[in-house]
Amino acid sequence: SAVISQKPSRDICQRGTSLTIQCQVDSQVTMMFWYRQQPGQSLTLIATANQGSEATYESGFVIDKFPISRPNLTFSTLTVSNMSPEDSSIYLCSVFGEPSTDTQYFGPGTRLTVL
Amino acid sequence: GENVEQHPSTLSVQEGDSAVIKCTYSDSASNYFPWYKQELGKGPQLIIDIRSNVGEKKDQRIAVTLNKTAKHFSLHITETQPEDSAVYFCAARLGGFKTIFGAGTRLFVKA
Repeated sequence: SAVISQKPSRDICQRGTSLTIQCQVDSQVTMMFWYRQQPGQSLTLIATANQGSEATYESGFVIDKFPISRPNLTFSTLTVSNMSPEDSSIYLCSVFGEPSTDTQYFGPGTRLTVL
Repeated sequence: GENVEQHPSTLSVQEGDSAVIKCTYSDSASNYFPWYKQELGKGPQLIIDIRSNVGEKKDQRIAVTLNKTAKHFSLHITETQPEDSAVYFCAARLGGFKTIFGAGTRLFVKA
């Protein structure tokens, strides 16, 4: 299994500012994933983060808006840049169990409100 | 690409009754179907899963069925309890690590 922690758990930010969300996993994993969950909605994959290479972004998400760092095999950050109220969401970090990759684990999420 | 539809969006049952949530998927090559439970303020947690070579799987009060021909899969919760109240997501995976999630079902279990 994998235990994931995220910081901060929630934040209220002003439009135009940026917020960096941290994700820490209790074991080394090859890939880490960032999801967005808009209020009352499903989970949408933002990007996949591999150590030592640039993150791979899904359609509709760009590096300038959501820069990601992956400095080692247990840690990643997601920055939400130049925020607007439309960015108000829960941001979730996720990993797959290794070596068995069936089970996908999620962090508790960061609830972001942009005023 | 894969698309997963989930119904109903909201489900209210009396404690002790059964609850059924249904999903359909579009890509017949999808081969893994997990179900997640998300409680308020928490991330989704895997509760049961099924592979495409299996028709049914059961774990205590929870069961999942899969109809590959119709591309349907369902979650069945028997003897519901108030602690079953949460949002449930179905999902489909087509190999790799890309998981496509349904829109979610908010389940209320009334005591």
